[in-house]
Parts: sequence; C-alpha cells; structure tokens
Amino acid sequence: GQNIDQPTEMTATEGAIVQINCTYQTSGFNGLFWYQQHAGEAPTFLSYNVLDGLEEKGRFSSFLSRSKGYSYLLLKELQMKDSASYLCAVRDGSGGYNKLIFGAGTRLAVHP
Amino acid sequence: ETGVTQSPTHLIKTRGQQVTLRCSSQSGHNTVSWYQQALGQGPQFIFQYYREEENGRGNFPPRFSGLQFPNYSSELNVNALELDDSALYLCASSTRSGSPLHFGNGTRLTVT
Repeated sequence: GQNIDQPTEMTATEGAIVQINCTYQTSGFNGLFWYQQHAGEAPTFLSYNVLDGLEEKGRFSSFLSRSKGYSYLLLKELQMKDSASYLCAVRDGSGGYNKLIFGAGTRLAVHP
Repeated sequence: ETGVTQSPTHLIKTRGQQVTLRCSSQSGHNTVSWYQQALGQGPQFIFQYYREEENGRGNFPPRFSGLQFPNYSSELNVNALELDDSALYLCASSTRSGSPLHFGNGTRLTVT
C-alpha cells in the first residue's frame, strides 16, 4: 500500500536548526516534494528531490534516500515566520499519470 | 506569468445541495489536478484532467465530478453534499511531464 509518515508536531527555538523526517512506502515513485502551509492558507512549494542526495535552497535543504524510503527537510536559522505545517508528498506515477500522495503534515512551532 | 487562481474563496452550503468550484490554470499548463484537504490532514487527490479528459482519479465517489475547458481552466462539481465534504479544495496545474505542483489559494467549503 501507500503510506507516508512524518511527526505530528515539533517545536524549535528561533535561530536554531530543525530537521523534519519523512518515511514513505509507495509504488511508482517519481519524486518527493516538501510544501509549507501556514494556517488557513494553501500549501506552497519548497523543494523537490528525485535523485538521492541533498538539495539546498537558501535556509532550506531537503535530502532523499530512495533505497531507505526516507527524506528530511532541514530548516536553518529559524525565524518566527517559519511556524507552519510542513507537508511531505510523494509523486506516484503508477497508472500512467502523476499524482501527489501527502503525509498528514508536521506542525512546527518556533519560539523566541 | 499568472499563477493558479480559484473561486470562490469561501462557500457555505447545506447538506444535499450541489456546488461548483472553479480554477484557472497557470499559463502554459495543460494538466489540472484537484485535491481535498480536511482539517488537520494532508491533501487527498481527487482527480486530474488533461486535454479536457479525466485521466486519473483517487478514492472519491462519483458525486465528485469535473470538467476541463479548452483554455485549460477547470471546474469541480460535488453533488448531494455531505457534512464530511467540508474541507479546503485545492487546484493545481502542471505540464504533462509533471513539473512541481503549484496550488491555487483554495476554496474553503463548509457544509452545514
């Protein structure tokens, strides 16, 4: 079956580093995405991995290991505005079309 | 380049009624996907349209239906609304090759 797991909640301090983990089991793997979602708003695209390794984008980095079914999102120099939900999503290409399968999201609270 | 736009922003309907949600694709994108996000959950794939035809569907009943128009804009129709249909409905457009999905701002539907 298809399953994506990520922690429900995390807390961190302003200026610190936090790592949000995601494990997945899915058929037709065709890439892994991270989205940020502030309360009451739509998800916004953060990063995308299709090959193993680290992708860095400013304060955000994302890592993928396809053999382990594992990814993480690393947020550096945390700011208060980073308080949001972070959604891990796998793109499933089985069935001849692409769809995203999302985890339930990790609510991150950044404290002063 | 215009992004994905959705209308209306908010909607309140009564159980048993029908609703139509609208989405305008990002310029150059010929594929539209719809997702349902219940409170506290990740988005769930409803269906996808490519060149005016449904080419993929998630685990949603037939009372969820859609259309895609020649200009690639799209509609989501839900008949016989149920209380559990209350959610944020997200539209995303992409190219056929599956570029990262960028969501519209969503329509928040409340069924009473």
